[in-house]
Amino acid sequence: GAGVSQSPSNKVTEKGKDVELRCDPISGHTALYWYRQSLGQGLEFLIYFQGNSAPDKSGLPSDRFSAERTGGSVSTLTIQRTQQEDSAVYLCASSVSGQGTLGYTFGSGTRLTVV
Amino acid sequence: DQQVKQNSPSLSVQEGRISILNCDYTNSMFDYFLWYKKYPAEGPTFLISISSIKDKNEDGRFTVFLNKSAKHLSLHIVPSQPGDSAVYFCAASRFGNEKLTFGTGTRLTIIP
Repeated sequence: GAGVSQSPSNKVTEKGKDVELRCDPISGHTALYWYRQSLGQGLEFLIYFQGNSAPDKSGLPSDRFSAERTGGSVSTLTIQRTQQEDSAVYLCASSVSGQGTLGYTFGSGTRLTVV
Repeated sequence: DQQVKQNSPSLSVQEGRISILNCDYTNSMFDYFLWYKKYPAEGPTFLISISSIKDKNEDGRFTVFLNKSAKHLSLHIVPSQPGDSAVYFCAASRFGNEKLTFGTGTRLTIIP
C-alpha cells in the first residue's frame, strides 16, 4: 500500500486478556519497527525487524510482549495478560534497508486501553 | 534515564513570527539527530535531520542547529504558519544503529 497500515486503530481490552496488534509496512520496506507512546512520554523503542529476524528486541518491556514478522511483510505485536500500564499508542514504522534513521514512515498507531 | 529531553511541553507563537523548539541530549555517542512532526491521530512524519559533522541544516522554512559541546539542538521555523501547529519530537541515533531515541515532544500552537 501507499503507507504503513495498522489495525485496529483503537482497542479496549480487559486486564488479563491477550491482544494482537497488526502492522502492514510499505511494500518493499525490509526494516520494520515498533514503538509505543504512553501518556506524557516520548516514543519508546520496542523492537526492530530486518526481514523476518529481529536483531534488536531490547525495548520489549517484559516477557508478556512478543512480536513476529512473516514473509518479510506483516508484523504482529502480541501482549499477553495485559496490564493497565500497557495502555498506550503503539506505533509501527517501516523503512528501506540501510536508511533507517532517514526513512522511517510511521503508521497512525493503535491506541490500546486496558480497563 | 531520559537521554533526549524536550523541556518545554508547549509553545505558542504568533503567525508569521519565528518558532524555536529546543532539545537537549545526554548521550555523547549520538551522532544523528532528527525532528518529527505529529498531528493528532496520525503517525509522526519526518521533518528534517542533521548529522554531528554539521552545525546547521536548512530546508525551506525549517532550520536545525546543533551545538555538540552543549549537547543541544534547536529547530527554527520561520515564518510560522497555522499548519505548523502540531507536536514536534526530537530524536537521536547512532550511525549503524536503527533505533531512534525520542524526546517527550513539544506542542506548538500558531496563533493566527
